[in-house]
Amino acid sequence: DSGVTQTPKHLITATGQRVTLRCSPRSGDLSVYWYQQSLDQGLQFLIQYYNGEERAKGNILERFSAQQFPDLHSELNLSSLELGDSALYFCASSLAGGSTDTQYFGPGTRLTVL
Amino acid sequence: QQPVQSPQAVILREGEDAVINCSSSKALYSVHWYRQKHGEAPVFLMILLKGGEQKGHEKISASFNEKKQQSSLYLTASQLSYSGTYFCGTRMGMKTSYDKVIFGPGTSLSVIP
Repeated sequence: DSGVTQTPKHLITATGQRVTLRCSPRSGDLSVYWYQQSLDQGLQFLIQYYNGEERAKGNILERFSAQQFPDLHSELNLSSLELGDSALYFCASSLAGGSTDTQYFGPGTRLTVL
Repeated sequence: QQPVQSPQAVILREGEDAVINCSSSKALYSVHWYRQKHGEAPVFLMILLKGGEQKGHEKISASFNEKKQQSSLYLTASQLSYSGTYFCGTRMGMKTSYDKVIFGPGTSLSVIP
């Protein structure tokens, strides 16, 4: 158990819908990262927050948005969902977000778009 | 720029050794290694930093060749529990920067009895 929690564990929805994925970092960690992992694919970095501010952005679609709240939990919002958005979405957290930080991954949310 | 991993897949018998390589065309500050079992979250194994510092796992070792921008993960006397997909992640920033970790496509490792 990494100490990172994600909810929900599974999500099934239809094309065109909007969903919100939630992540709570490990106690004491200030930085949160979101990754997308499609079937048999690697980890695609989406976005990073540090203490409530966006710090780095990857290949995140305009239909996706995220934020980190004052209590440090983070939410990833996916809208106008398409079949191709079906994937495992991981949240990770680290102490400060620097290059030497270890990222601890949550169990993931499996999103299925029908 | 996504790092390149080799081999793509490897099958070992218990007790055999394996090496997984990760290389980048960009100058690197750190290389991060993770193992992921099917359907589970990636688990941290090791960080290697420019300058030679390492932090990580007891039974798994790694190296970082700064001139070649390449890292190798050494799995010795493999156990069944070593099975999974190994990802390397590369980061180009210095300690105080917040640049992203770019993960390679992964190396699937299967250990059989």
